[in-house]
Amino acid sequence: GQQLNQSPQSMFIQEGEDVSMNCTSSSIFNTWLWYKQDPGEGPVLLIALYKAGELTSNGRLTAQFGITRKDSFLNISASIPSDVGIYFCAGHKNYGGSQGNLIFGKGTKLSVKP
Amino acid sequence: EAGVAQSPRYKIIEKRQSVAFWCNPISGHATLYWYQQILGQGPKLLIQFQNNGVVDDSQLPKDRFSAERLKGVDSTLKIQPAKLEDSAVYLCASSFTGDSPLHFGNGTRLTVT
Repeated sequence: GQQLNQSPQSMFIQEGEDVSMNCTSSSIFNTWLWYKQDPGEGPVLLIALYKAGELTSNGRLTAQFGITRKDSFLNISASIPSDVGIYFCAGHKNYGGSQGNLIFGKGTKLSVKP
Repeated sequence: EAGVAQSPRYKIIEKRQSVAFWCNPISGHATLYWYQQILGQGPKLLIQFQNNGVVDDSQLPKDRFSAERLKGVDSTLKIQPAKLEDSAVYLCASSFTGDSPLHFGNGTRLTVT
């Protein structure tokens, strides 16, 4: 089935560091979404991107929809302990229409450096 | 507003048994989704409802999984009989329309032994 390649799989952060993660696909997507999932909870939408080249911020989070429509990245600036969790990219191919065929990446696990 | 409600939170069953999960979406949300999330992976769509009609069930293993949303509000997902590989978190999500962002519940963690 359709795959989204998300990297890195995991990373350790120290408070105050900037964090980057990205997602790539072999197919074109018309929407890219970034979710965060905490243990025992469902994913929570962080940022939604609808146009190629779009750069959107949500507080300390910034995400971009790649020009080729085959990739997206998420940056977190000045990380804090509550940023710990699993970040998923997700995409779907429909303009508007149903968002149900969201395809998720395998996630990037953010942990605090010991 | 109240979020997506799911129950139970946890369920442990033996293989070949049956199990059912329940979901109550956010009030007014016409679209309801069931996702399966296997440990270490992202969620995978099982089925999508628009009101009480099925929009997409292409990834639902229909020989053992079934889902219904009879009155267009809450929904149940059933597995019968369960297999070991069905161990996963089953997430329900809803959206106001098919175009709107998805809101997820906290899921039901199923363990099949």
